Amino acid sequence: GAVVSQHPSWVICKSGTSVKIECRSLDFQATTMFWYRQFPKQSLMLMATSNEGSKATYEQGVEKDKFLINHASLTLSTLTVTSAHPEDSSFYICSARGGSGPTYEQYFGPGTRLTVT
Amino acid sequence: GEDVEQSLFLSVREGDSSVINCTYTDSSSTYLYWYKQEPGAGLQLLTYIFSNMDMKQDQRLTVLLNKKDKHLSLRIADTQTGDSAIYFCAEMVQEVALIFGKGTTLSVSS
Repeated sequence: GAVVSQHPSWVICKSGTSVKIECRSLDFQATTMFWYRQFPKQSLMLMATSNEGSKATYEQGVEKDKFLINHASLTLSTLTVTSAHPEDSSFYICSARGGSGPTYEQYFGPGTRLTVT
Repeated sequence: GEDVEQSLFLSVREGDSSVINCTYTDSSSTYLYWYKQEPGAGLQLLTYIFSNMDMKQDQRLTVLLNKKDKHLSLRIADTQTGDSAIYFCAEMVQEVALIFGKGTTLSVSS
């Protein structure tokens, strides 16, 4: 089946620094990738949608200058958290969708736990 | 706006059936999904149902959809301890984005 990987799986960074999270579709071409944020015991909140080669579409309330998304190829999207603060600590999950197949299925990565100290 | 509601906890005994309920608001949703999340892991798609279907069965899983009431349920037959996890209901809106419920924590005791 389709596999989506994320790297790193866990990152600890100091307040004020930037951290990049990678999301890769390993065995399919992802025309669309999504970034979600999940707080403990909470739902997944969609942060942004990105299509390969174009600018990401951010959900209301998500700062695009703080959460930089780059979808440079059909297999890779990156999320950079700039000038991280402790309140950015969360579980970030990406998903990828390959074309517009009949199931409109999104394949999820295992998530990246970000801890900002 | 779109909203998906689920009960937060369900506790069952091994071998019993589990029923997890969900309500959604967007009547134009084309697909509705059930995902499973085990501790510290990503989401695993369990099953989905197209909006013009009433029921879908896949081995131990049965999905029922009442489109009039915007109610979706997931029944797990013969629940096992390995089924303990968080189950998320999700609806697809505008044929792109998934809107998730808060998740139902299923606890299975032996």
